[in-house]
Amino acid sequence: QLQLQESGPGLVKPSETLSLTCTVSGGSVSSSSFFWGWIRQSPGRGLEWIGHIDYSGSTDYNPSLKSRVTISADTSKNQFSLNLKSVTAADTAIYYCARPILAARYWYFDLWGRGTQVTVSS
Amino acid sequence: SSELTQDPAVSVALGQTVRITCQGDSLRTYYASWYQQKAGQAPLLVIYGENSRPSGIPDRFSGSRSGNTASLTITGAHAEDEADYYCNSRDSSGYFFAFGPGTKVTVL
Repeated sequence: QLQLQESGPGLVKPSETLSLTCTVSGGSVSSSSFFWGWIRQSPGRGLEWIGHIDYSGSTDYNPSLKSRVTISADTSKNQFSLNLKSVTAADTAIYYCARPILAARYWYFDLWGRGTQVTVSS
Repeated sequence: SSELTQDPAVSVALGQTVRITCQGDSLRTYYASWYQQKAGQAPLLVIYGENSRPSGIPDRFSGSRSGNTASLTITGAHAEDEADYYCNSRDSSGYFFAFGPGTKVTVL
């Protein structure tokens, strides 16, 4: 059974880079059938799509975050990662990795990690 | 502001039916998907596409669409259905994901 698990620091200082990793078990990040993505949730902003990556390394990002976000994959470790630079308190949120399904008339996330709380504070 | 809008909260008596709506221009073209989120847990997909349920989701959950409005209906609400419900779809450009702000469902 496919499972996703986020890992990374729970506390990041303002202006630094937030880095999280999602480990995929029971499946392969290099599968041509799937994308892999990140979503965050905060009380003020609700659920917010950050971006996703496909098996070839092609990415799409939320326009509001695009200048600060990088999503990459490490097929040797069966992981994909999120880097968000120049963070502020507004980036404090629960960060989820998830698997997006992109069909012609509908897009959705069928599998989610448990989420990891990241706080931006000095 | 969100491209998808939802009522902040609705309540339903135990065993009765409740409809949760999601509005947005993109819903005229694309179907919404729906997620259930309980306190301290990740969102759980309950409806996707025209009206499909992932394995393990009870058939009391159903989805529909009319014009720019998508609906999630819970027919015969159970106490464990009390949760926040979020819709998502492609945004109006068709290139990105959008989420609704969520509806808190209280089962009385």
